[in-house]
Amino acid sequence: DQQVKQNSPSLSVQEGRISILNCDYTNSMFDYFLWYKKYPAEGPTFLISISSIKDKNEDGRFTVFLNKSAKHLSLHIVPSQPGDSAVYFCAARNDYKLSFGAGTTVTVRA
Amino acid sequence: ETGVTQSPTHLIKTRGQQVTLRCSSQSGHNTVSWYQQALGQGPQFIFQYYREEENGRGNFPPRFSGLQFPNYSSELNVNALELDDSALYLCASSLGEGEKLFFGSGTQLSVL
Repeated sequence: DQQVKQNSPSLSVQEGRISILNCDYTNSMFDYFLWYKKYPAEGPTFLISISSIKDKNEDGRFTVFLNKSAKHLSLHIVPSQPGDSAVYFCAARNDYKLSFGAGTTVTVRA
Repeated sequence: ETGVTQSPTHLIKTRGQQVTLRCSSQSGHNTVSWYQQALGQGPQFIFQYYREEENGRGNFPPRFSGLQFPNYSSELNVNALELDDSALYLCASSLGEGEKLFFGSGTQLSVL
């Protein structure tokens, strides 16, 4: 069963604008949420995370928002840069394992 | 400090064969996890090893097995390969159970 869902397979955004990526989950036992970024032929790299007891975490251009009542999180990237073009995975942790969404491919247009 | 390295990068096998994939953890990391990423999907958890013991397993059959060695490197073995085993296999290491994962670049396995 798919416990973490990213319903938008792709997103195209103009350079300098905001990118908003969304993620929904079903398991209330998740205690930590993470975003990973993946370039072709490379493994996923950690981007930003948030504990389930928080509702916002910010790191430079990246901000993650968590809405526990809606079981929804989002990643905001502002301003978007060409190097941000990649696949972004939402992941949620329960105990020792991560459950991943299917990913959203972000393309930043010049 | 070296990151997580995996070998080989690509592999082609035929149905019914057996395969061994290898992973070297990032320096100082004692926990290794393996994930399978099928085309168009996110990584799926196979199992995790902590101090040479399997301490968690996802929804994968017993023909998927693993080992962790005293130097914390790891192997993933898959027996009786099936066409659906074709995927990118990712190894990730961490400082402990539940800690942030650092991924290798993966092994792309094709089963014909």
